[in-house]
Amino acid sequence: ILNVEQSPQSLHVQEGDSTNFTCSFPSSNFYALHWYRWETAKSPEALFVMTLNGDEKKKGRISATLNTKEGYSYLYIKGSQPEDSATYLCASLQAGTALIFGKGTTLSVSS
Amino acid sequence: EAGVTQSPTHLIKTRGQQATLRCSPISGHTSVYWYQQALGLGLQFLLWYDEGEERNRGNFPPRFSGRQFPNYSSELNVNALELEDSALYLCASSTHVGTTNTGELFFGEGSRLTVL
Repeated sequence: ILNVEQSPQSLHVQEGDSTNFTCSFPSSNFYALHWYRWETAKSPEALFVMTLNGDEKKKGRISATLNTKEGYSYLYIKGSQPEDSATYLCASLQAGTALIFGKGTTLSVSS
Repeated sequence: EAGVTQSPTHLIKTRGQQATLRCSPISGHTSVYWYQQALGLGLQFLLWYDEGEERNRGNFPPRFSGRQFPNYSSELNVNALELEDSALYLCASSTHVGTTNTGELFFGEGSRLTVL
């Protein structure tokens, strides 16, 4: 059974701090790694979909990297803002299966 | 363009009853996924439907079942409800290419099931 692990479980930072989260996943039969942001009372929304080893993606102040050989991905947030407060989910896709999610990292940003 | 819609928003049932949850995907999406988020747990994969067929199933008992209709909407049925079935049930849709879809999922806002 595919196991996707995320750390830390939760994180509290001050406005302006930069932070990063880790996602680890089995590297065998890898197809894709997704990152989603889930704000309270809303639906999860995709941030990034990465498929290639060494992929780096960026959206504004948020970026992600992917290492498929060792099975990990990092999500970075530069200069955190209160509106970045959310749960960040990573999910791994293996051949012929659906996305399997980690438990998420809950980020709280204080102003 | 309408997003993924789910109904009902909230549902209260008692142990032993059956619950039916519904999902309409984004127009043009053929794949529908169901996930459960129980208290303290992450999103657990339940079922994946594409083109009317069940493609994959998570580690849930057979009393969790569903189907996908010709218009690609989907139903999730939970029979013989147990207290631990209380959870948020999220539906997601995506386009589908080949046997493995690397496209992003678009989620609905979920149906919260409470079993008393």
